[in-house]
Amino acid sequence: GQQVMQIPQYQHVQEGEDFTTYCNSSTTLSNIQWYKQRPGGHPVFLIQLVKSGEVKKQKRLTFQFGEAKKNSSLHITATQTTDVGTYFCAGPLYYGGSQGNLIFGKGTKLSVKP
Amino acid sequence: DAGVIQSPRHEVTEMGQEVTLRCKPISGHDYLFWYRQTMMRGLELLIYFNNNVPIDDSGMPEDRFSAKMPNASFSTLKIQPSEPRDSAVYFCASSQQGRTEAFFGQGTRLTVV
Repeated sequence: GQQVMQIPQYQHVQEGEDFTTYCNSSTTLSNIQWYKQRPGGHPVFLIQLVKSGEVKKQKRLTFQFGEAKKNSSLHITATQTTDVGTYFCAGPLYYGGSQGNLIFGKGTKLSVKP
Repeated sequence: DAGVIQSPRHEVTEMGQEVTLRCKPISGHDYLFWYRQTMMRGLELLIYFNNNVPIDDSGMPEDRFSAKMPNASFSTLKIQPSEPRDSAVYFCASSQQGRTEAFFGQGTRLTVV
């Protein structure tokens, strides 16, 4: 069945270092979403990418959607302790689906050492 | 809006007991989802509803699990009988037709002993 894979599973960085998590889908995606879950919290929507090769930025976060629309990445520049949490990518269960029937990757758990 | 509301936040029950988790989606949202999160399996979609109708329940692990949505503002996920391997955090999420992002509730942490 359809799978969304993320690497790495864990990442420990020193505050100020950069961080990148990668997401790969077994099928072409119509869009990809990114969520952040703080420790003990719930997933919170960050952004959606739709177009092939799309790049979006939110302050220190840069999101990219691959040309083939099967992979994506999230890059954080100069991490801060507030970036701690697990970052998930998610794609629609069905191509063309736009609602929240999402398949989530296993997530990348980021820890930041002050 | 108060967001998606789930209850209880924590539930500890003995194996074999019935457990009912509750969810109130955001008003006006017509999609509702139940997810289960564990360390081993991550976030799994169990079932989702559109306009109170179950659309896909292929993620429901077995017959012990059932979900209902009697109206647009309430849904339940029931486990009967519960087993220790059901221990997990169960999230309810809702979304609105034409918009993509799913809004998650705070979750119910279920422990079956």
